Amino acid sequence: KAGVTQTPRYLIKTRGQQVTLSCSPISGHRSVSWYQQTPGQGLQFLFEYFSETQRNKGNFPGRFSGRQFSNSRSEMNVSTLELGDSALYLCASSTGGQGWYEQYFGPGTRLTVT
Amino acid sequence: DAKTTQPPSMDCAEGRAANLPCNHSTISGNEYVYWYRQIHSQGPQYIIHGLKNNETNEMASLIITEDRKSSTLILPHATLRDTAVYYCIVRGYETSGSRLTFGEGTQLTVNP
Repeated sequence: KAGVTQTPRYLIKTRGQQVTLSCSPISGHRSVSWYQQTPGQGLQFLFEYFSETQRNKGNFPGRFSGRQFSNSRSEMNVSTLELGDSALYLCASSTGGQGWYEQYFGPGTRLTVT
Repeated sequence: DAKTTQPPSMDCAEGRAANLPCNHSTISGNEYVYWYRQIHSQGPQYIIHGLKNNETNEMASLIITEDRKSSTLILPHATLRDTAVYYCIVRGYETSGSRLTFGEGTQLTVNP
């Protein structure tokens, strides 16, 4: 079974631009979560989507948004990029539903904002 | 979710057991202990989880103290490929949601 894939793997953007990152979950998984990892703040939860609905949200500004499509693929968007948005963005998928399910992480997208 | 405390770094000789401690003194009755690890430049990988009984799988063993205030992840025969940051996470068995709250973790270095 193919793992979680994220595209692109690396991205360089300029301050003020916007960016869209994509995540394809493992086949059959309905939950996709997004995390930001920086040296200073560590791994922080951004949001989770399940069956095309956001059901959990972390403490990030509204510039960070996401969506999920009917095939469970998810995108996250960051508008008006700031230097501090430079980070590794990870997505994780799981079967979802009630309770806890093992999450499988993708390799991440390394975003650099200059 | 209860807060966890882990040593920032540990060393282990290849082939020996690696014992990674985690303190979670404020854990509540319905919260599980989860362990993940992150090898450099990769996404985190699930290792094991437990509530109050000791657990073992093909990767590791999890020992939880009787009062549940601390736990130890044991890698029985550490290899160089086990060098990674190990995260101990305490989380309730929520009715929905896959949110994980990562702390700073323990950098385990396995030496040849």
